[in-house]
Amino acid sequence: AQKVTQAQTEISVVEKEDVTLDCVYETRDTTYYLFWYKQPPSGELVFLIRRNSFDEQNEISGRYSWNFQKSTSSFNFTITASQVVDSAVYFCALSDTGRRALTFGSGTRLQVQP
Amino acid sequence: DAEITQSPRHKITETGRQVTLACHQTWNHNNMFWYRQDLGHGLRLIHYSYGVQDTNKGEVSDGYSVSRSNTEDLPLTLESAASSQTSVYFCASSESQPNTEAFFGQGTRLTVV
Repeated sequence: AQKVTQAQTEISVVEKEDVTLDCVYETRDTTYYLFWYKQPPSGELVFLIRRNSFDEQNEISGRYSWNFQKSTSSFNFTITASQVVDSAVYFCALSDTGRRALTFGSGTRLQVQP
Repeated sequence: DAEITQSPRHKITETGRQVTLACHQTWNHNNMFWYRQDLGHGLRLIHYSYGVQDTNKGEVSDGYSVSRSNTEDLPLTLESAASSQTSVYFCASSESQPNTEAFFGQGTRLTVV
């Protein structure tokens, strides 16, 4: 069975601080896929990144970076120099070859104060 | 542009009534999903479909049904609405491969009174 844990329910930071959102996953499959989605206050779900289990390279996209560590089953998301517009709920999700539907974590609400 | 749309965006219904939420996608995706979002639970899978005439139960399927008669649509029916089904419902679609991201509709806020 799949499981995604986002232990941080809510994080509050001041603008320009760096913040890391944690994601720990469980799956029995050796091939799996990890995702991050953003849900801003307007409510839509916005895809941010996908990572395959066989690609452990970390990725950076502007102020966003992702750290994938198979050894600890973690796929953490860091925002550098946070901005008010980063305020949102962030979801980590997992799929594998046995189940194409995403399994979501419970989400982390990030509040960036000016 | 291809898109996925849900209707209605907001609905209030009474306990015991049958309700159908519509989901229509123009991506030509084989996979379609219904999730519900509740505080503290993230998004939980209700039903999903991998193609026409294919439907499967997710983790929270009790009280819900779906049918897939074409590629574009996956309507979600609440057979007899209950207050516990007050939630925000999201429809999503994706390509057949498991490594592809899902595209989500705008969500439907359903209140059962």
